[in-house]
Amino acid sequence: KAGVTQTPRYLIKTRGQQVTLSCSPISGHRSVSWYQQTPGQGLQFLFEYFSETQRNKGNFPGRFSGRQFSNSRSEMNVSTLELGDSALYLCASTYYRVGTDTQYFGPGTRLTVL
Amino acid sequence: KNEVEQSPQNLTAQEGEFITINCSYSVGISALHWLQQHPGGGIVSLFMLSSGKKKHGRLIATINIQEKHSSLHITASHPRDSAVYICAVGSPDKLIFGTGTRLQVFP
Repeated sequence: KAGVTQTPRYLIKTRGQQVTLSCSPISGHRSVSWYQQTPGQGLQFLFEYFSETQRNKGNFPGRFSGRQFSNSRSEMNVSTLELGDSALYLCASTYYRVGTDTQYFGPGTRLTVL
Repeated sequence: KNEVEQSPQNLTAQEGEFITINCSYSVGISALHWLQQHPGGGIVSLFMLSSGKKKHGRLIATINIQEKHSSLHITASHPRDSAVYICAVGSPDKLIFGTGTRLQVFP
């Protein structure tokens, strides 16, 4: 069974630009969640999607958004990038619920904002 | 105060030593997760538990729901166990993470 894949793996952008990251979950998994990891704040929950609906959202500004398609693939978008958005962005998939099922993480996308 | 606290933040050990990492939380949870992150960023889920104890190879995880505390034990530690270990508590629809414990095991 193929694991969770994320594209691209590395990305360099400048302030003010926008970026879209993609996540393909394990086949059969319907829940996809996104996380931001920085040296200062550690891992933080961004949002979770299930059956194309956002079920929960962390404490991030509206510049961070996402969506999920009918095949469970998910994208997250960050608009008007700021230097502080430089981070490792991880997605994880699970069959049903992010809090109570084993999470399978992708390798992450490392975003650098200059 | 963080909702999930881990200790210690850093840990060094000699190969073969018994390791314990602790996690305390202050919120209601549905389950608690132990994760392992190697240099380079990849995260692997080690355990998910809501009560009692689980064992996988040399790793043992325990949780005490009443005391809101969990421990991760590594028996007979090995240099390949060197990684960051992260505790995360789950409500149904999100995870709250601890700050992680960086473990280095020397031969």
